[in-house]
Amino acid sequence: DSGVTQTPKHLITATGQRVTLRCSPRSGDLSVYWYQQSLDQGLQFLIQYYNGEERAKGNILERFSAQQFPDLHSELNLSSLELGDSALYFCASSVGTSGGSYNEQFFGPGTRLTVL
Amino acid sequence: QQQVKQSPQSLIVQKGGISIINCAYENTAFDYFPWYQQFPGKGPALLIAIRPDVSEKKEGRFTISFNKSAKQFSLHIMDSQPGDSATYFCAGGGSNYKLTFGKGTLLTVNP
Repeated sequence: DSGVTQTPKHLITATGQRVTLRCSPRSGDLSVYWYQQSLDQGLQFLIQYYNGEERAKGNILERFSAQQFPDLHSELNLSSLELGDSALYFCASSVGTSGGSYNEQFFGPGTRLTVL
Repeated sequence: QQQVKQSPQSLIVQKGGISIINCAYENTAFDYFPWYQQFPGKGPALLIAIRPDVSEKKEGRFTISFNKSAKQFSLHIMDSQPGDSATYFCAGGGSNYKLTFGKGTLLTVNP
């Protein structure tokens, strides 16, 4: 158990809908990362937050947004869902620093999103 | 594009054998190279990681070999066990904190 929690575990919804995925980082970790895992694209970095502020952005669609709250949990919002958005969405956390060396990332169990 | 190329896609090894997975990267700004292990239905778990100032790192049966000039690194699993059967991902990370992952290698260790 990595200490990172994600809810829900499974989510089934229809095209055009909007969903919210939630992540609680490990105790003491300030950075949260979101990744999308699909069979064809593999693990793709979406976005990173550090202590409430957006730090880095990857291949995140404009229909997707995220935020990190004062209690450090994070939410990933996916809207106008398409069939191709079906994937596993992982949250990871790390201690994070304002600059300097890299920190190990610990992954949560993921949320499996199915868009019908 | 900042890619990490991983091979092979799949690997079958007999129990007790050596499993070798290779990765090559393009981005010379990477300064952190972790390997993750993922079991079905689970999130990736950090297995071992190396920084480019060393050429090898060993933790138990797992060893990373790193060749900075060739921009290549590999994972060696000695005395492979059926419990090692999983998908392995290599990755590169830099000062922007994000990880760029390889496509993964499905390892099957036959008893």
